[in-house]
Amino acid sequence: AQSVTQLDSHVSVSEGTPVLLRCNYSSSYSPSLFWYVQHPNKGLQLLLKYTSAATLVKGINGFEAEFKKSETSFHLTKPSAHMSDAAEYFCVVSDKELSFGAGTTVTVRA
Amino acid sequence: NAGVTQTPKFQVLKTGQSMTLQCAQDMNHNSMYWYRQDPGMGLRLIYYSASEGTTDKGEVPNGYNVSRLNKREFSLRLESAAPSQTSVYFCATKWRSEPVSTDTQYFGPGTRLTVL
Repeated sequence: AQSVTQLDSHVSVSEGTPVLLRCNYSSSYSPSLFWYVQHPNKGLQLLLKYTSAATLVKGINGFEAEFKKSETSFHLTKPSAHMSDAAEYFCVVSDKELSFGAGTTVTVRA
Repeated sequence: NAGVTQTPKFQVLKTGQSMTLQCAQDMNHNSMYWYRQDPGMGLRLIYYSASEGTTDKGEVPNGYNVSRLNKREFSLRLESAAPSQTSVYFCATKWRSEPVSTDTQYFGPGTRLTVL
């Protein structure tokens, strides 16, 4: 069985400061991992995905994530938050099926 | 290309009414999915279709039925709507359905359903 845990339901940062969204997973296989972003009243957009080619994955809008097998983690980071980063973020693991984390809401303070 | 489209965008139903949510894709993807999104619960899979002609239950199938009409279209039907089905519904597609697939899932814009 697989599962995804997003460790923070809400993260608040100041504009220009780093963002860290934490995701841990459990899987019986070597999974594929994704981060999606959902802006208010919008659908889900792919930020980045881990395909086993490299453990550090770069995505759109300056986001990146590092796959750490020993820690079963796939944390999402961005060095400098922008107001437009305010959204909900979902960590997803693809194993025998797709499992979504509960989501992390990011607010950015001016 | 439109990608993944869903109709309607919004719907209000009374308890006991029925309706069908439509999803269509023009990406020639094999697998299609229906999710519901509720606050604090992420997305939960209702039903999916690995290929034309096949459908399977997901995590929360009760109260729903689906039809994979052809490769392009995958509809979700609520036969007798209940207030617990108030949610945002997303359709998604993926090129392959095999395990450990690195294929990206593409999502439609969602349907906001309220059941009174």
